[in-house]
Amino acid sequence: QVQLVESGGGVVQPGRSLRLSCEVSGFTLTSFAMYWLRQAPGKGLEWVAVIPYDGRNEHYGDSVKGRFTISRDTSKNILYLQMDSVRTEDTATYYCAKSRLGLFFDSWGQGTLVTVSS
Amino acid sequence: VMTQSPVTLSVSPGERATLSCRASESVNVNLAWYQQKVGQAPRLLISGAVNRATGVPDRFTGSGSGTEFTLTISSLQSEDFAVYYCQQYKEWPLLSFGPGTKVDIK
Repeated sequence: QVQLVESGGGVVQPGRSLRLSCEVSGFTLTSFAMYWLRQAPGKGLEWVAVIPYDGRNEHYGDSVKGRFTISRDTSKNILYLQMDSVRTEDTATYYCAKSRLGLFFDSWGQGTLVTVSS
Repeated sequence: VMTQSPVTLSVSPGERATLSCRASESVNVNLAWYQQKVGQAPRLLISGAVNRATGVPDRFTGSGSGTEFTLTISSLQSEDFAVYYCQQYKEWPLLSFGPGTKVDIK
């Protein structure tokens, strides 16, 4: 049974850092491209970052490029999102998602809320 | 750029709902639909514009290609009231979602 469980959200001040985790089970991170997506309160969905199945050539959305880093620990089956220099506009629920063919999302975590506020 | 219409669709249980998604450029059939209920993560309904995901009831039907797509819910059940998003994946990694259509109870 595929499961994804995010953690690490909370309140963080602008300019500070936060690391989100996504523990997966029922599949291995080396078999699927994995994504972080986010949803600001009352808004739509935005993809944030992707790490391909082979762990090479990550990609980032323009709004987070240079500030966020996606990574993984394949021995622990955990996906990470390191968020540096956070801004108020980064306030959102962050989801990790397993992709099919690297293109669309067939399994999602429950989300973790990140609030950037002073 | 993906657009969806209407923004809100008010439907009575048992009625048909037709949701539209439009792409600014052709995405062929590289389109998915998701359902999101309040307080929950999105759930994949349709991929490849027409292929129902595992476990999705057959009252959900996707159609279209190119720039015009439709999600039809043939007979709305109480559990179908939610927000529906389309997503194109032709322009990987520049995936993009539509702004969503909220289906609520009339």
